[in-house]
Amino acid sequence: DAGITQSPRHKVTETGTPVTLRCHQTENHRYMYWYRQDPGHGLRLIHYSYGVKDTDKGEVSDGYSVSRSKTEDFLLTLESATSSQTSVYFCAISESGPRRQGRDTQYFGPGTRLTVL
Amino acid sequence: GQQVMQIPQYQHVQEGEDFTTYCNSSTTLSNIQWYKQRPGGHPVFLIQLVKSGEVKKQKRLTFQFGEAKKNSSLHITATQTTDVGTYFCAGRDFGNEKLTFGTGTRLTIIP
Repeated sequence: DAGITQSPRHKVTETGTPVTLRCHQTENHRYMYWYRQDPGHGLRLIHYSYGVKDTDKGEVSDGYSVSRSKTEDFLLTLESATSSQTSVYFCAISESGPRRQGRDTQYFGPGTRLTVL
Repeated sequence: GQQVMQIPQYQHVQEGEDFTTYCNSSTTLSNIQWYKQRPGGHPVFLIQLVKSGEVKKQKRLTFQFGEAKKNSSLHITATQTTDVGTYFCAGRDFGNEKLTFGTGTRLTIIP
């Protein structure tokens, strides 16, 4: 498995509280991604980063923000958590982006299970 | 926007039977990737297909990319208990280059 860790692995929080999830990689890959996984929806992209301080929105970005101040760390923040954000969150990395076929495959972290009460 | 549909959503098979999952995109793809997620685990990359009509094999797994590059399939011959999990396709849109995951097919093996 690629060197990707996520913290925390499990979190229970209350509606309205801020939450930050951390993804850390040791592979020096340029691209990093945050997905959420919900039954019946597969994996949906929240935000991604294509370099330090370079980020862009995915298909379900409302209510989430991200930051990447170092190559190895990608943070996902829920400013004010809602029950609809209860989900399993996966971080992923890839060596390159869409124009480098063969190097755009994604390697996933172990996931964070977030419950918002 | 691009949609990637997978069927079936669930599949229960007797051990030793074959299994196939199908992936269909609403747009033309530049490539398609397949991932496997074991229960309680994270998605793991299996393979990438790039060429129209491409067929690749990994032991008992056969992957195909359609001639029009809008569909793909994964076929497992003689399933084993180690094949249990959810199989996802992920299609890279030819136009906007976005990668969209399918909804997945959950495979259960009956011993």
